[in-house]
Amino acid sequence: QKEVEQDPGPLSVPEGAIVSLNCTYSNSAFQYFMWYRQYSRKGPELLMYTYSSGNKEDGRFTAQVDKSSKYISLFIRDSQPSDSATYLCAMSDTGGFKTIFGAGTRLFVKA
Amino acid sequence: EPEVTQTPSHQVTQMGQEVILRCVPISNHLYFYWYRQILGQKVEFLVSFYNNEISEKSEIFDDQFSVERPDGSNFTLKIRSTKLEDSAMYFCASGGSGTEAFFGQGTRLTVV
Repeated sequence: QKEVEQDPGPLSVPEGAIVSLNCTYSNSAFQYFMWYRQYSRKGPELLMYTYSSGNKEDGRFTAQVDKSSKYISLFIRDSQPSDSATYLCAMSDTGGFKTIFGAGTRLFVKA
Repeated sequence: EPEVTQTPSHQVTQMGQEVILRCVPISNHLYFYWYRQILGQKVEFLVSFYNNEISEKSEIFDDQFSVERPDGSNFTLKIRSTKLEDSAMYFCASGGSGTEAFFGQGTRLTVV
């Protein structure tokens, strides 16, 4: 079983749709959960990070962590064509020195 | 806005040669990382560096690899004898705490 599982997609949605991106993980030691956005041939850009379980909202983005199910989600409201990118979940244990990434989900938002 | 800067953007080297990839982390950051991403694959952790020493490394980071912070601003990754399979994008990242990491734009390494 992979440490972090993420559906690679692609996921195609119309502009304005609510997007749901998800990851599951197996290592119960993970405490910090991040979402990154990566445009083609660019470095990952940190969108959000949460500690332990719960929700966090930032503008159109909401991150959810359910440690009991080992499941994390990122919701994007009112999606825009500029949101088209690969979204990477990432997580680390206490101290966060080593971050494990999911494979990334490619998202296409059609105008 | 402060950013992590990596040079060169693209490096072509012959198999068996040594390469040094350079990074200028965000000033005041204390945690430094190297990751790599083989084309079409996921981002993989190589090494983290804190308090002037390696804090954690992956199984990928073998004796061919080394990191150094030669002065107060630069952070380098050296690959001693490159192999074809070392071809990848190498990302440097830095963080003010041990949780967030801000990535540079990467160095594309091509080994021929």
